[in-house]
Formats: sequence, structure tokens, C-alpha cells
Amino acid sequence: DADVTQTPRNRITKTGKRIMLECSQTKGHDRMYWYRQDPGLGLRLIYYSFDVKDINKGEISDGYSVSRQAQAKFSLSLESAIPNQTALYFCATSDLPASGAAGELFFGEGSRLTVL
Amino acid sequence: DQQVKQNSPSLSVQEGRISILNCDYTNSMFDYFLWYKKYPAEGPTFLISISSIKDKNEDGRFTVFLNKSAKHLSLHIVPSQPGDSAVYFCAASLRLSGNEKLTFGTGTRLTIIP
Repeated sequence: DADVTQTPRNRITKTGKRIMLECSQTKGHDRMYWYRQDPGLGLRLIYYSFDVKDINKGEISDGYSVSRQAQAKFSLSLESAIPNQTALYFCATSDLPASGAAGELFFGEGSRLTVL
Repeated sequence: DQQVKQNSPSLSVQEGRISILNCDYTNSMFDYFLWYKKYPAEGPTFLISISSIKDKNEDGRFTVFLNKSAKHLSLHIVPSQPGDSAVYFCAASLRLSGNEKLTFGTGTRLTIIP
């Protein structure tokens, strides 16, 4: 089983609908992130959380909200989906980086969202 | 404002030859740089990293070089193998009061030609 699990893996929805993407992890990490990938734009950070009581906006948070239900669960919501939110979404986790370490992220397999 | 840039969207290399993927950055405060590899239908996976206080880090067939004066890093893969065909993202880390975040480049699709 994957350490970082995202559901659903694929979703097609219509403009104006509310959508939730869920992420759960078994790595025991405190830090969780939501990124989106678009062709030619790479991976861009939407929201991140360094512990259950901590939520921070990333570079493209408009139109999104998140909930950190537990250490292992971090969900991303689109309250009213629009076509330019069509993208591949990734959840990631990390541990507090040790001194002298890079602090790598561990990614889920992605959730492909299409908004018509 | 793209702080981390990968100017080559794609690269094709013959099997057995060297693959060189490049990455430029603008923020001199970045303290770690990482490379990730992504296969289709999978999430990115960590490949190799380098601290800003070093200029080279090697791990098997993969070597990352950092040129701080030019704000440039490169990933060398030698010899290249068909399984190396993937999208490669460089990323830079900025630690501000413990709030470390990664900023990713746009990616380079590497194709190894058998």
C-alpha cells in the first residue's frame, strides 16, 4: 500500500460544483502539502500544514480551501469548481528536516481533476 | 515570478550517453536544491539533493552540480538508461524560521533513445 494515498484518482465534474480531494498518509509526518501540476508550469503550492493546528496559504490558494482533520489526513476543497482548476493535484508529506538534510517531500500518486 | 526555471521542456539522449538537465534560480537565499523524477501516472519521487554550501553531490549514476555565482544547477546522468525516461523537476528550499517550503521548476521531459 502507498504511504501517501489520494482519493479520488480521477474526477470529472461541472462548473460550480463542490469537490473534495482527500489525502491520507501512513508515514507519521507532521507536514502535509497540496500541489497542482499544469503543463509548462510545474508544481505549484496551494496550501500546506505543518501540524494539525497549522494551515498556511501557498502561492495559488485562491478558489481552494483545506482541512487538516488529523495528523494523517489533509483534504483539499474546491467550493465552486471552474474550468481553469482542471489539473493534476498532488498531496505530499514531509518530516521536520534534520540539520544538514534537504527535507524531501513524499508524494501521492495524484488526483486528476477535470472541470467542464 | 518564476524563482526556479527549467528552460528546456524536453531532452532526448542516446542510451549510454550522458544526460544533462539544467535549472536556474533567482533567489540567492535558497539553501537546498533537490531533483525529483516523475513517471506517468505516478507522483514525483526524490532523486538527489545538494546543500548550498557544496558544489557537487554524487549518488551512483546521478551527480548534481551547483554553481552559486551563476545561480545554476545541473543534474548529470551517466550512463543514461531507458528507465531514466521521465519528467525531472528541480526544486529549491528556503528555510525561514523553520517554515521550509519547496519551490519547483517547470520540469524537463527526458527521453532516452535505445
